[in-house]
Amino acid sequence: LAKTTQPISMDSYEGQEVNITCSHNNIATNDYITWYQQFPSQGPRFIIQGYKTKVTNEVASLFIPADRKSSTLSLPRVSLSDTAVYYCLGGSQGNLIFGKGTKLSVKP
Amino acid sequence: GAGVSQSPRYKVTKRGQDVALRCDPISGHVSLYWYRQALGQGPEFLTYFNYEAQQDKSGLPNDRFSAERPEGSISTLTIQRTEQRDSAMYRCASSPNGDYEQYFGPGTRLTVT
Repeated sequence: LAKTTQPISMDSYEGQEVNITCSHNNIATNDYITWYQQFPSQGPRFIIQGYKTKVTNEVASLFIPADRKSSTLSLPRVSLSDTAVYYCLGGSQGNLIFGKGTKLSVKP
Repeated sequence: GAGVSQSPRYKVTKRGQDVALRCDPISGHVSLYWYRQALGQGPEFLTYFNYEAQQDKSGLPNDRFSAERPEGSISTLTIQRTEQRDSAMYRCASSPNGDYEQYFGPGTRLTVT
């Protein structure tokens, strides 16, 4: 199962674009890369998933290079409410592997 | 519509007692997952079901932990002879059919004294 590595914490200011990079050197051929967001005292919430190249939805963009050994979650114009822990996940559909996540702090 | 619900939300029990944690998934969701989350850590996979069949229980820490989903809907995670190290947030999630997008419940905070 793919082990992921991401920064423990990041700071940003309101209105900035935030990019969180995750490495997953041994991701399996069939695995997708998935990102979740978790606010304090709540369960994780799905943000986005992708296999390769670029995926965009109303919340974020996900960039995955051709070798798939890393991925970058991009949050455009963050606000205070984006302060949360962001998890990059490897693993198969039935067995998602959460790491420690990146604690993003957005300041005014 | 209703999301994933879990009960009880908080459970305090004495060491050695058995506890049963309940998860009510989103109606119609085929897949149901159990996780355990320690403070400051990401959720740790325990087990998952498709319908009533347990597909993977590799994350269950030991044989004191068991889970069932007899009718393919509600699931129960049972911990026998609880120990203090079992104290954690236990989270349940469901997905339409084994999707990467899982919907998490509010969790059950278990404290073993």
